[in-house]
Amino acid sequence: DGGITQSPKYLFRKEGQNVTLSCEQNLNHDAMYWYRQDPGQGLRLIYYSQIVNDFQKGDIAEGYSVSREKKESFPLTVTSAQKNPTAFYLCASRGDRGLRSNQPQHFGDGTRLSIL
Amino acid sequence: GQQVMQIPQYQHVQEGEDFTTYCNSSTTLSNIQWYKQRPGGHPVFLIQLVKSGEVKKQKRLTFQFGEAKKNSSLHITATQTTDVGTYFCAGPGDSNYQLIWGAGTKLIIKP
Repeated sequence: DGGITQSPKYLFRKEGQNVTLSCEQNLNHDAMYWYRQDPGQGLRLIYYSQIVNDFQKGDIAEGYSVSREKKESFPLTVTSAQKNPTAFYLCASRGDRGLRSNQPQHFGDGTRLSIL
Repeated sequence: GQQVMQIPQYQHVQEGEDFTTYCNSSTTLSNIQWYKQRPGGHPVFLIQLVKSGEVKKQKRLTFQFGEAKKNSSLHITATQTTDVGTYFCAGPGDSNYQLIWGAGTKLIIKP
């Protein structure tokens, strides 16, 4: 069954700790995205990747890092520099390469990150 | 920068009443997408509108794209408990790969 898998579902971070959120897709999509959602708020773009070995900062990239070594995988690291990491993190992918974002984004089930 | 404004933030309705959310863009959009996020879930794509003045229906949901392609609306007729969630609109950003998201409208059914 094709889709996007995010893990873990829940994650707790200690002060000064880096944590990595996993996102894997088997949809053969080129573009992948990380969003942050705070309670009662919309989606804010952290990073996106159009293709393997390439990624771009979104609106709120500070305190986060990503890599895109494989087409299927786009892990997000929340670093200790992110002072307010508590949020719902959503990974998404999109299939059309080179077209003007007219295909829908497909989302994983998300990871809820909290500070201990 | 480009913005997509969505109102209202919340709408409380009795079951069976109608619901409407509105989206306005600061720039002309080539298309607009609508998503639904159930409580505790992730956004799920509902529909995309591309043409000026376009109207599309999905059962009790009616989606409209304005003539100037700067605004859009979603109207739900006779809401049901299954409609509960947050409805988002999203339009293309400056990059070919980005979407600019509205803040969402949360549909709440009064007990």
